[in-house]
Amino acid sequence: QVQLVESGGGVVQPGRSLRLSCAASGFTFSAYGIHWVRQAPGKGLEWVAVIWFDGSNKHYVDSVKGRFTISRDNSKNTVYLQMNSLGAEDTAVYYCARDQPNDDYWYFDVWGRGTLVTVSS
Amino acid sequence: DIQMTQSPSSLSASVGDRVTITCRANQSIASYLNWYQQKPGKAPKVLIYAASSLQSGVPSRFSGSGSGTDFTLTISSLQPEDFATYYCQQSYSTRGTFGGGTKVEIK
Repeated sequence: QVQLVESGGGVVQPGRSLRLSCAASGFTFSAYGIHWVRQAPGKGLEWVAVIWFDGSNKHYVDSVKGRFTISRDNSKNTVYLQMNSLGAEDTAVYYCARDQPNDDYWYFDVWGRGTLVTVSS
Repeated sequence: DIQMTQSPSSLSASVGDRVTITCRANQSIASYLNWYQQKPGKAPKVLIYAASSLQSGVPSRFSGSGSGTDFTLTISSLQPEDFATYYCQQSYSTRGTFGGGTKVEIK
């Protein structure tokens, strides 16, 4: 079935790095853009980053620019989020989500279950 | 970035009530507005896209309206499984910002 599975979360010290993965199955991965969305404990959803279907374009929320890098390997059906210089404000559940285009519109129609990143000393 | 503001942040309602949640953008986003439902410990689920298009499989008691800067999500008759948090998201920009959420609780 169509699914996204995140991995790579864990506890990391402030200032350190972590790489998250989002593995896709059940659909033509190379045809879809993939986004990362995070949710701090008890808080709302925050859009983090997007990579286009072919990796040609990437965009980030201002708070992670210069620290996070999104990438993808279409041969492995996987998107990555490299997170550097982590701070307490990055503590959250990180979801990856599929960008479903519909005419001129888009929305997230498939989500992973999320992976928890905790930044703490 | 486009800022999205939802109101109220929470509400209490009874089964069978009609519930309306509003979402406002700080600039015109035409009809580029999505609504999601999230239950505790779960990933969000899309309900409405393009402001008023019902996602396949979503009950018809959910509806969306609006364009420009002001949007609403309406649940015509609240069911027990609808108690959750609802988020709007603009898709006008590639950086798809979310509203702060509206938690719908049992009265």
